[in-house]
Amino acid sequence: QVQLVQSGAEVKKPGASVKVSCKASGYTFTSYGISWVRQAPGQGLEWMGWISAYNGNTNYAQKLQGRVTMTTDTSTSTAYMELRSLRSDDTAVYYCARDGGSYSNWGQGTLVTVSS
Amino acid sequence: EIVLTQSPGTLSLSPGERATLSCRASQSVSSSYLAWYQQKPGQAPRLLIYGASSRATGIPDRFSGSGSGTDFTLTISRLEPEDFAVYYCQQYGSSPWKTFGQGTKVEIK
Repeated sequence: QVQLVQSGAEVKKPGASVKVSCKASGYTFTSYGISWVRQAPGQGLEWMGWISAYNGNTNYAQKLQGRVTMTTDTSTSTAYMELRSLRSDDTAVYYCARDGGSYSNWGQGTLVTVSS
Repeated sequence: EIVLTQSPGTLSLSPGERATLSCRASQSVSSSYLAWYQQKPGQAPRLLIYGASSRATGIPDRFSGSGSGTDFTLTISRLEPEDFAVYYCQQYGSSPWKTFGQGTKVEIK
């Protein structure tokens, strides 16, 4: 069965960077994109961006341009999301999702806390 | 960017009642590329409906989606206790930019 397993919770100071991983299994990794979605405490879902696992093409939400980088490692079927210059309002649960148009499979989420 | 507006913000209903959730887009969603997700506290979202009206694998038939263009609806015919949750719509017609609505909470009355 399709599984997306994310890395564990992180605590970072303002200005630092975080890199979250998402290891996929149960399907051909390069046949789908991976999208990243975050959810601040008590808030809704925010689309962050997308990466093609086939060729590495990316598209990022305008508000995160310049601070976010999404990559993949096809040898390990793993996607990564790096967010730089962290601020307190980046505190959120970060999800990866298999992107076949809609998101039929999600990772379990990674809590990133930004606090001094 | 397509903005999705969901209404109402909160829906207070009893088990067995019918729930009707609305999602309105700021511009037409191409090819009815509209999805609905359910999220319970502490869990990742779960896909319910894609293509505006197709149920995802394993979703009970009490969940149905309808609509096209700018107006979409998720209907839960008879609420079960496990259906009380937050529901989000998402458009994926202007791929790869895939925006979400702000959510509708269905709570027990």
